Parts: sequence; structure tokens; C-alpha cells
Amino acid sequence: SQKIEQNSEALNIQEGKTATLTCNYTNYSPAYLQWYRQDPGRGPVFLLLIRENEKEKRKERLKVTFDTTLKQSLFHITASQPADSATYLCALVHSGGYNKLIFGAGTRLAVHP
Amino acid sequence: KAGVTQTPRYLIKTRGQQVTLSCSPISGHRSVSWYQQTPGQGLQFLFEYFSETQRNKGNFPGRFSGRQFSNSRSEMNVSTLELGDSALYLCASSLEHEQFFGPGTRLTVL
Repeated sequence: SQKIEQNSEALNIQEGKTATLTCNYTNYSPAYLQWYRQDPGRGPVFLLLIRENEKEKRKERLKVTFDTTLKQSLFHITASQPADSATYLCALVHSGGYNKLIFGAGTRLAVHP
Repeated sequence: KAGVTQTPRYLIKTRGQQVTLSCSPISGHRSVSWYQQTPGQGLQFLFEYFSETQRNKGNFPGRFSGRQFSNSRSEMNVSTLELGDSALYLCASSLEHEQFFGPGTRLTVL
């Protein structure tokens, strides 16, 4: 069956450290994968997109990697801040899926001062 | 540029009723997608409209329907509401691949 999985446990880290979130998928051939941030009671906010032929993408303190052999994406926040505390969602688009995003359940990140 | 707007923000209905939710995309965006978010199932894709045509559909029953108008505004309709339809309904618009989500409509079915 098709699955997209993220760490179900909340991730607690100390301010200034690097947070690493994992997204694994099974039985998909994603054309690209996206990461979103969602705060309570609000819609998700787009962070980064990485295509199937890309290994790594960076944007300011954010970095995402994509390994199509391992069927895994890693999302890193360096020098984390309490304001980074939120739920982070990975989402993929299956080849030919236009804008049909298939979301993981999300990982809650808590950054403590 | 104004963001994606959704109306109403909150709605309470009873079982068996029907409901219509509205979404205004970012100006210039022709693609509008709808998602349902619940604590148990997470974010699930309902359907996508592009230039007034349904381009993609998720695995929801026929009670869930939508449409898009020539100005790209979109509506979704749920008929014969069930308790399990209580959820946050999110609309997203896009120009290319990045999706911009609205604040959602919180639907409660009693």
C-alpha cells in the first residue's frame, strides 16, 4: 500500500541546535516533494520544494534533502529558535498528479529557550 | 497581494443538512485545491480545479463536490452531512507547484 510517514513523536530541542525531521514514503514515484509549516488553527505555509532529480535545497536556515533510493526526505532547521515551534508537514506529488498533494501526518517541533 | 480567503470561517450544521464553502484564490492563480483536515486522518486531498475543470479528485464519496467559476473562485459542497464530516476544510491556490493555503473553514456537524 502507499504510505507517507513522518515521526509521530514530537521533537523537542534546545534553542540554537539543529532540528532534523524525517519523511519516508512507500510505493510512490514523487515528481517532487514539499515541506510546509502549520501553526495551530491556521493553514499550512509553504517552505521548500525539491524535485526528484535534486539532492538538496537550501533557503536561509532551512535545508531539505531528497533520496529517491532510500525513499526519504530530511528537513533541517539550523540555529533553531522558539519561533520555529510548529507542526511540519511533508507532502509529495505523485508523477502526473498535477497539484494533488499527499501529506504526511506531520511532526510537531518544540524549540525550548 | 491579498492571500487566499475562505468563507465562512466557522459553521455549525446538523446531520442531513448540506453546506457550501467558498474560496477566493490569490489573483492570477488558476488552480484551486481543496483539502479536509481531521485529527485522525490528517490532511486529505479532496479535488483540484484548473480553469473551471476538475483536474484531480481524491477518494471521497460523491456527497463532496466542487466547482470553479471563470474568475477562479471556487466552492465546495457537502450534501447529507454526517458527523464524520466535522473537520477543517482548507483551500489552496497555486500558480505553479507551491500552494498557498487559506485559513480554512471549521465545520462542525451535530
